[in-house]
Amino acid sequence: DGGITQSPKYLFRKEGQNVTLSCEQNLNHDAMYWYRQDPGQGLRLIYYSQIVNDFQKGDIAEGYSVSREKKESFPLTVTSAQKNPTAFYLCASSMASGGSYNEQFFGPGTRLTVL
Amino acid sequence: AQKITQTQPGMFVQEKEAVTLDCTYDTSDQSYGLFWYKQPSSGEMIFLIYQGSYDEQNATEGRYSLNFQKARKSANLVISASQLGDSAMYFCAMREHTDSSYKLIFGSGTRLLVRP
Repeated sequence: DGGITQSPKYLFRKEGQNVTLSCEQNLNHDAMYWYRQDPGQGLRLIYYSQIVNDFQKGDIAEGYSVSREKKESFPLTVTSAQKNPTAFYLCASSMASGGSYNEQFFGPGTRLTVL
Repeated sequence: AQKITQTQPGMFVQEKEAVTLDCTYDTSDQSYGLFWYKQPSSGEMIFLIYQGSYDEQNATEGRYSLNFQKARKSANLVISASQLGDSAMYFCAMREHTDSSYKLIFGSGTRLLVRP
């Protein structure tokens, strides 16, 4: 089945540690995105990539890093510089060309807790 | 300035009744798209419906319809014949065409609870 997978579903991290969240898609989408969601709030864009080997900062990129070495994969690293990393992280993908109707498809999310 | 505003943090609706979830947006772009997503307690985001700024008719998708009032910059979601499974968070989102990206800007969401 085509879709987006994120792993792990739950992740616990000690303060001061870097951690990498996985995101893989087999939809042949060019564009991929990372969002952060805090309790009771909407989604905020961390990073996005429209093509392999290129990515752009979103609204809250500080303390995060990404790579896009393959079309299918867009891992997110939460670094120790991120002051409050406990949140729900959602990965999404979409076609990057065509008209305005390019819905984003979302993965199941990773819930990160810093102990 | 906030681009997407959802003024209802929570809503109740009786099963089988219709409910309207409000969404207003702010943009100076002529070309933009409006989306509604549903987020159940499991966390995944489910796409519901899309409205383009140049679409003359309101979008409909099964029990979902979008009441698009361009002059008022509102894009309210109407759910007809509510079901218990409709209980979830609902997010309105907008994509502008001010650059070449396809970023979405999300509102803060409305939690809908359907009463039996």
